[in-house]
Amino acid sequence: TQLLEQSPQFLSIQEGENLTVYCNSSSVFSSLQWYRQEPGEGPVLLVTVVTGGEVKKLKRLTFQFGDARKDSSLHITAAQPGDTGLYLCAGRDGSARQLTFGSGTQLTVLP
Amino acid sequence: DTAVSQTPKYLVTQMGNDKSIKCEQNLGHDTMYWYKQDSKKFLKIMFSYNNKELIINETVPNRFSPKSPDKAHLNLHINSLELGDSAVYFCASSQRGWTEAFFGQGTRLTVV
Repeated sequence: TQLLEQSPQFLSIQEGENLTVYCNSSSVFSSLQWYRQEPGEGPVLLVTVVTGGEVKKLKRLTFQFGDARKDSSLHITAAQPGDTGLYLCAGRDGSARQLTFGSGTQLTVLP
Repeated sequence: DTAVSQTPKYLVTQMGNDKSIKCEQNLGHDTMYWYKQDSKKFLKIMFSYNNKELIINETVPNRFSPKSPDKAHLNLHINSLELGDSAVYFCASSQRGWTEAFFGQGTRLTVV
């Protein structure tokens, strides 16, 4: 089983600030997904990246897949309290028939 | 219409009891899963079924037994519950094992 390390584990910021969350592995992934989980709910998919160097934007969220497909980042611009939640990356290598989830980043955006 | 629904949402039970969690998906997906999320929010796969057939069985005590009567349902039965089984259990489904996973709301199991 491959390991996906996320950093930071916890992040508490003020509304309006920018932030970046990282997802790193020593293994290569054929695709990588980012999910957000709110309290009392299951994770919900935000984006899937499949090509090394790919950048995807979702409103104020920018996702990047590393050139070597071993890492990914999520950047949030002008964070809002509604962005509060647990952010999870999940990767699939070429042979695995399942997703491996990262360790998670708990983000709190204070008004 | 809820895509992946699991019941119950909360389950409090004593050590040694046997309990079941039910899951149903109406997305027409071929693959269903059970995940366990611990107190540190780490999400770990327990089982994966494809068209009613078990394809992944991670290192899970054999007190946990999944059952898939059809491809839209995957239930989880737990025997002889232990304190360490307390966690949130998520059912999920996807079209393939690596495509977008749709999660249920989770079942918070507390063993006392």
